Amino acid sequence: GENVEQHPSTLSVQEGDSAVIKCTYSDSASNYFPWYKQELGKRPQLIIDIRSNVGEKKDQRIAVTLNKTAKHFSLHITETQPEDSAVYFCAATNTGNQFYFGTGTSLTVIP
Amino acid sequence: SAVISQKPSRDICQRGTSLTIQCQVDSQVTMMFWYRQQPGQSLTLIATANQGSEATYESGFVIDKFPISRPNLTFSTLTVSNMSPEDSSIYLCSAGDSSYEQYFGPGTRLTVT
Repeated sequence: GENVEQHPSTLSVQEGDSAVIKCTYSDSASNYFPWYKQELGKRPQLIIDIRSNVGEKKDQRIAVTLNKTAKHFSLHITETQPEDSAVYFCAATNTGNQFYFGTGTSLTVIP
Repeated sequence: SAVISQKPSRDICQRGTSLTIQCQVDSQVTMMFWYRQQPGQSLTLIATANQGSEATYESGFVIDKFPISRPNLTFSTLTVSNMSPEDSSIYLCSAGDSSYEQYFGPGTRLTVT
């Protein structure tokens, strides 16, 4: 089955700096890659996703890039703000039936 | 995006008992899933709830321990049976459609004493 690895496990940045979280996957058939943000005590929220026919997708301060050849995808957050502090999870699926999640990255934005 | 609610939001149960968690979606969805999340950990898929047929369980999870129902396209239940302290966790349901986008319920925090 699919194996998704996520790095780093923790990340601290100064407010206004950029943050990058990387995930690798093992199954070349995976074709959908969502990112979730989970604040403490809250549900995971879908913040951005990318499909295998696209190399990059951007939504305001967040962007996701996908390298199918290398089988990795990354979340980029620019101009970070304290409210970006949360745990971020990547995931991968090729059927929509089984989602394989990364281990999570705890992001802290220091004011 | 679908709006998902779960009941109960939290419960404290004695070992050996069972708890049924309900998940309600505000629209018909193709897929419904049940996850477990230990504090500070990632999400682990328990099973996919299939409408009109038996749930599909992931490795390490069995129907006798986690029976699931899905009577229609907007509702599902997960029962945690014969509970032990190791079952203490947050249980999340999620819903998705043919676009693969998946949305989560608020979770049920279960403590087994």
